[in-house]
Amino acid sequence: NAGVTQTPKFRILKIGQSMTLQCTQDMNHNYMYWYRQDPGMGLKLIYYSVGAGITDKGEVPNGYNVSRSTTEDFPLRLELAAPSQTSVYFCASSYPTGGAAVRQPQHFGDGTRLSIL
Amino acid sequence: EDQVTQSPEALRLQEGESSSLNCSYTVSGLRGLFWYRQDPGKGPEFLFTLYSAGEEKEKERLKATLTKKESFLHITAPKPEDSATYLCAVQARQGGSEKLVFGKGTKLTVNP
Repeated sequence: NAGVTQTPKFRILKIGQSMTLQCTQDMNHNYMYWYRQDPGMGLKLIYYSVGAGITDKGEVPNGYNVSRSTTEDFPLRLELAAPSQTSVYFCASSYPTGGAAVRQPQHFGDGTRLSIL
Repeated sequence: EDQVTQSPEALRLQEGESSSLNCSYTVSGLRGLFWYRQDPGKGPEFLFTLYSAGEEKEKERLKATLTKKESFLHITAPKPEDSATYLCAVQARQGGSEKLVFGKGTKLTVNP
């Protein structure tokens, strides 16, 4: 059972370049998320999706775009890379939140370490 | 504003020396509190979910507790393999939808 798989694991970009971070999950989770983690800071939500074709902004969406064409895949696109986007990016997934009191944990991939020079 | 504060930022223990990590939170309507473990170069690994004050969960040497304002992760007789960063997160309602708000984590080092 692979869980959440992210590719690539590492990448160096030049300022202004574009790239797509890939994320796929095999748990049939409806909800998927993209976070960034900067040194000494908590995880910050970039975008999330509650199902195929439905996406919404998180806390720090500027400079990023997402799409969700299938349940399994949730790619994150950087169009014009900037040094401020140097970070570790994590993708996560979870079951739908069912009921007022039941909240399902998110399951994370191992991240993509991105440096922009 | 919803906030999660973890303390201490770093903690060094000797093997077998029990201690506790703290997670205090301010959130409008707690829907759930989560503890994760994160090893270097890896993603967060889910440990526990707590839903209401007074609830406790245990797993091996770890025990998580919850009050109305904070949660504790108690580590009993830790081993070097317990060394990791422990993250706390609360499920909060922001802008009409629910999000996880993470603390900055406590880096635990257990020396043999």
